[in-house]
Amino acid sequence: SAVISQKPSRDICQRGTSLTIQCQVDSQVTMMFWYRQQPGQSLTLIATANQGSEATYESGFVIDKFPISRPNLTFSTLTVSNMSPEDSSIYLCSVKDGGSGETQYFGPGTRLLVL
Amino acid sequence: TQLLEQSPQFLSIQEGENLTVYCNSSSVFSSLQWYRQEPGEGPVLLVTVVTGGEVKKLKRLTFQFGDARKDSSLHITAAQPGDTGLYLCASRGGSNYKLTFGKGTLLTVNP
Repeated sequence: SAVISQKPSRDICQRGTSLTIQCQVDSQVTMMFWYRQQPGQSLTLIATANQGSEATYESGFVIDKFPISRPNLTFSTLTVSNMSPEDSSIYLCSVKDGGSGETQYFGPGTRLLVL
Repeated sequence: TQLLEQSPQFLSIQEGENLTVYCNSSSVFSSLQWYRQEPGEGPVLLVTVVTGGEVKKLKRLTFQFGDARKDSSLHITAAQPGDTGLYLCASRGGSNYKLTFGKGTLLTVNP
């Protein structure tokens, strides 16, 4: 299993500013992901954070808006840049166990409100 | 990207009642997962079903995978307030690592 922590747990930000969310895992993992969960909606994959290379973004998400770092196998950051109220959401870090395993673990999420 | 439809969207019941929630797709699932997300937490994996017709039980929860692997159901017997949460189904895409989620069923069990 993997235990994931995220910082901050919640924040209220002004539009036009940026927020960096940290994700720390208690073990080395190959695959780390960032999801967004908008109010009343399900989880949408933003990107896959690749260690030592650029993240792989899903359709509708771009690096300029959501830059991601992955300096090692236990840590990643997601920045929400130039925020607008539409960015108000829960942002979740997730990891998948190695090999062909199906289990995916999620962090507790970061609740972001943009005013 | 596979589209997962979940129903009902909301469900409010009394403690002790039984309930079933559904997850459907127009295309075949290679596998399907059910998660529960409690307020303030991330989703937690409950079960993975792989084989058509498969039934798995987790205490009072029974998960069924349709024979054609296009639908799945979650049945809860004698629901308890601790079962309250958002129940999400999810499937992996062709790349075998990207999870696509349904919109979820928000269950409230009243004491």
